[in-house]
Amino acid sequence: NAGVTQTPKFRILKIGQSMTLQCTQDMNHNYMYWYRQDPGMGLKLIYYSVGAGITDKGEVPNGYNVSRSTTEDFPLRLELAAPSQTSVYFCASSYRQSNQPQHFGDGTRLSIL
Amino acid sequence: GQQLNQSPQSMFIQEGEDVSMNCTSSSIFNTWLWYKQDPGEGPVLLIALYKAGELTSNGRLTAQFGITRKDSFLNISASIPSDVGIYFCAGQLNSGGSNYKLTFGKGTLLTVNP
Repeated sequence: NAGVTQTPKFRILKIGQSMTLQCTQDMNHNYMYWYRQDPGMGLKLIYYSVGAGITDKGEVPNGYNVSRSTTEDFPLRLELAAPSQTSVYFCASSYRQSNQPQHFGDGTRLSIL
Repeated sequence: GQQLNQSPQSMFIQEGEDVSMNCTSSSIFNTWLWYKQDPGEGPVLLIALYKAGELTSNGRLTAQFGITRKDSFLNISASIPSDVGIYFCAGQLNSGGSNYKLTFGKGTLLTVNP
């Protein structure tokens, strides 16, 4: 059981480039989430999805887009990379029930130069 | 929005010592979660608390959900070197359309000296 899988693990981008961070889960979870983690700042929610075809903004959505075409996959897209988007990105998933905890992937470390 | 204050920010202890860290909130939560993050990895759930006053243990870890629903603590007894990492608290409100959103503390960095 792989859980939540994120690719790539590391990436360096130039300012203005675009890329997609991939996230897939094999636990048949309804809910999926994208967070960013900056040093000493905990995790902040970027976007989330409560099911295929449904997405919504979190706390820090600017500069990002998401899609949820399947239950398993929840990619995060950066269209015009900016230095402020240098961070570690975590994908998480959970069951629909409100008392079910979120399970996290191992993260993607992204640097924008 | 809701904010969590997690303390201490960092701790440096000797192997075998007990550790205590806590989180306080400006508003109530219905669920408190404690996660541990090792370097280069994602947060891993340690303990989940669902009722005010609940005290739950997981091996050497014990966590409590405060009676006011605005705070929680995590204790680690007889620390060992592999306890090193960042510990995060997270609160979940479970109310209406926001029952899936977590609010995270900024983390407590624990260093254990062998």
